Amino acid sequence: EAGVTQFPSHSVIEKGQTVTLRCDPISGHDNLYWYRRVMGKEIKFLLHFVKESKQDESGMPNNRFLAERTGGTYSTLKVQPAELEDSGVYFCASSQDGTLPTDTQYFGPGTRLTVL
Amino acid sequence: AQKVTQAQTEISVVEKEDVTLDCVYETRDTTYYLFWYKQPPSGELVFLIRRNSFDEQNEISGRYSWNFQKSTSSFNFTITASQVVDSAVYFCALSGGTSYGKLTFGQGTILTVHP
Repeated sequence: EAGVTQFPSHSVIEKGQTVTLRCDPISGHDNLYWYRRVMGKEIKFLLHFVKESKQDESGMPNNRFLAERTGGTYSTLKVQPAELEDSGVYFCASSQDGTLPTDTQYFGPGTRLTVL
Repeated sequence: AQKVTQAQTEISVVEKEDVTLDCVYETRDTTYYLFWYKQPPSGELVFLIRRNSFDEQNEISGRYSWNFQKSTSSFNFTITASQVVDSAVYFCALSGGTSYGKLTFGQGTILTVHP
């Protein structure tokens, strides 16, 4: 069974440009999560999808970030326009049933975003 | 608010040594879950263990063991007879309350095992 995949693995862009990150969850997982780790700091929650609906987007830093999950399969996270402080590693995770406290999130390898 | 603290930023050991990674958490929830994840050089976070707040029994899985103590709000992870392949970043995480889908992570501990 394929794990969570993310594309691209690395992205280097200039301040003001737009970048779109993609995440493909494990097949059959209704729940999809985005997290971010800024250099040297802890991994922070961004948002949680249940199928195509946003369950919790309390961690989204500002309106320059837009996450979508059309059709409840893969998800995209767009940053527009990118700022220097957006640099970091963006992780995606998926789980079968996010309403269960025993549900385990499985993570992808992350996308390393560098904004110059 | 929930918080997870991993006070050890980096640990360096020689192969076959035992090593303990510390994790201290804060939460007001009575029901919560604690996790450990491993991040090898390939980058993905690999799930190691999940423990709920009502189960304080220690757990052992091969060379890995976990010590959960509610009295000190700690969930420490011990690797016995460490190996070079154990070199990775290890994260402790917490979920609970009304947002089980939201993991709160510690800053991670970089473990380097030298041959």
